Amino acid sequence: DAKTTQPTSMDCAEGRAANLPCNHSTISGNEYVYWYRQIHSQGPQYIIHGLKNNETNEMASLIITEDRKSSTLILPHATLRDTAVYYCIVREAAGNKLTFGGGTRVLVKP
Amino acid sequence: GAVVSQHPSRVICKSGTSVKIECRSLDFQATTMFWYRQFPKQSLMLMATSNEGSKATYEQGVEKDKFLINHASLTLSTLTVTSAHPEDSSFYICSAIYRGGHNWYEQYFGPGTRLTVT
Repeated sequence: DAKTTQPTSMDCAEGRAANLPCNHSTISGNEYVYWYRQIHSQGPQYIIHGLKNNETNEMASLIITEDRKSSTLILPHATLRDTAVYYCIVREAAGNKLTFGGGTRVLVKP
Repeated sequence: GAVVSQHPSRVICKSGTSVKIECRSLDFQATTMFWYRQFPKQSLMLMATSNEGSKATYEQGVEKDKFLINHASLTLSTLTVTSAHPEDSSFYICSAIYRGGHNWYEQYFGPGTRLTVT
């Protein structure tokens, strides 16, 4: 699976949109971009995934660049409960394994 | 969404004893489950892949005789840490593959088990 690069940490203001970048320049054509988050002392929680089209669900939006070498996870209105480590993972559609990198530690401040 | 549970949520044991951690898929059947380990301020590290009815596949560097995995049913996988030592103290997390339709599947995680070996 392709490797991803994310900023180590970022702060954002409560109520504002949080934009989390991820680079995956070696992504191949059959690999999806997945986002998970892990709130302190809990198991990871699935957020969203996409292949090449932008995706939106009740939690977030995923914007994937046209060349698919990077993506951005958008939390439209960050709340204090969104404070967590966010992991961007690239995975083949048929692959089972998820390889977790360092993630981005997001702190939502009042 | 699909729910995965773990039991216990926390366990403290003495050095040299064995500890069993259970991972259950509550509302779906999972032929494949995974076990991860996470040390403080670090990311999740995959330990092994557990397949129902067959032997687990361990990642490089993980001792299969120390971390015994049994996936005896489609809803239960167990991880037994044998002869635990303080360095085995960690947060152990399982996940299960939920298969939807049309070759689509997703991975759901349990809440984790905090193991402390004294």
